Amino acid sequence: GESVGLHLPTLSVQEGDNSIINCAYSNSASDYFIWYKQESGKGPQFIIDIRSNMDKRQGQRVTVLLNKTVKHLSLQIAATQPGDSAVYFCAENNNNNDMRFGAGTRLTVKP
Amino acid sequence: SQTIHQWPATLVQPVGSPLSLECTVEGTSNPNLYWYRQAAGRGLQLLFYSVGIGQISSEVPQNLSASRPQDRQFILSSKKLLLSDSGFYLCAWSKGENTEAFFGQGTRLTVV
Repeated sequence: GESVGLHLPTLSVQEGDNSIINCAYSNSASDYFIWYKQESGKGPQFIIDIRSNMDKRQGQRVTVLLNKTVKHLSLQIAATQPGDSAVYFCAENNNNNDMRFGAGTRLTVKP
Repeated sequence: SQTIHQWPATLVQPVGSPLSLECTVEGTSNPNLYWYRQAAGRGLQLLFYSVGIGQISSEVPQNLSASRPQDRQFILSSKKLLLSDSGFYLCAWSKGENTEAFFGQGTRLTVV
């Protein structure tokens, strides 16, 4: 469900390291998941998505893992760069027309 | 290609004044349309979504309302703003259920 009342958790990594951002979702009926990146003062941008019939999907430098058993989603960013610094949100959709977002994680990349 | 326009980018309004934020989508037809609100340093709260003209689903009871007078136009309104209405308002569209949503650049509303 939505966690809009919580302050964002933060993750700080060194440039060049790999980042792992986690998300727990609450609706076991959700069957489509998306990761978004939001830079300061801008709208969220699509990074990668995954459907519930998959447990892993790879993009350019990013990998999304889905564990339906524990209702957990993760985003892995390889060789993290300063430009990756942003807030990352997971979103879920359960065959309805609404789309629910998680609380978000603020990623800071240290040079 | 599809684009989404949202305006204004920033807005400062006194308490008790009305509000109208507009969002339009180009390059697609019959999109799903969404309004989200984001408080500073927090997540996105779904306010309204629409699957067609005149069809509005409200997620959170409050003094805001939404309307969809045309297929690709989504309007967020209030008759009397409260201080708690301050936030970053985001419009988004998608092709339907289980598809990604595309966001506008947002409107930062400050109620004073």
